[in-house]
Amino acid sequence: EVQLVESGGGLVQPGGSLRLSCAASGFTFSSYWMTWVRQAPGKGLEWVANIKQDGREKYYVDSVKGRFTISRDNAEYSLYLQMNSLRAEDTAVYYCARDSAYRSDYWGQGTLVTVSS
Amino acid sequence: DIQLTQSPSFLSASVGDRVTITCRASQGIRSYLAWYHQKPGKAPKLLIYAASTLQSGVPSRFSGSGSGTEFTLTISSLQPEDFATYYCQQLNSYPHTFGGGTKVEIK
Repeated sequence: EVQLVESGGGLVQPGGSLRLSCAASGFTFSSYWMTWVRQAPGKGLEWVANIKQDGREKYYVDSVKGRFTISRDNAEYSLYLQMNSLRAEDTAVYYCARDSAYRSDYWGQGTLVTVSS
Repeated sequence: DIQLTQSPSFLSASVGDRVTITCRASQGIRSYLAWYHQKPGKAPKLLIYAASTLQSGVPSRFSGSGSGTEFTLTISSLQPEDFATYYCQQLNSYPHTFGGGTKVEIK
């Protein structure tokens, strides 16, 4: 059974940093692109970033470029999102998802990041 | 960036109704469109990909059509478990943007 479990969310002050993790199981992690999507409270979904199987290609939405870094450890079956210079508008539930041929077919349950003083 | 516009943004319907949601792209995205639904407090769930391919395990009352800039999601007979918010997503070019969502509520 495919499982994705996010962790690392919490309360952080503006300008602070946080590292999210996504633990994968039930599939060959190194064979799939992986994605982060976020959802601000009461709002819609926003695609944040994704990363190729070998980690050599990464794409970001403009609003996080230069502040967020996506990475992965295929040996540990883990996906990461390093978030620096956090802003109030980064407050959201962050989901990791597995990408498979032009769709995100499995999603984690999400982890909440709150940026507030 | 490619913008996706969903309509309507809110829909009130009854069990058994046929429901259609439209997603329009600001530029052509071929058939690289996916549909998800999301219930409160839960993660999105994939329904349709490549505009018209039903994801494994998804009931056949869901169907998708379209290509280029105009797409539709149809639920042939709305069931109680289908009341949720529906999102389209384009995967033709980066960033892989989502539509604003369509909330389907019980009439």
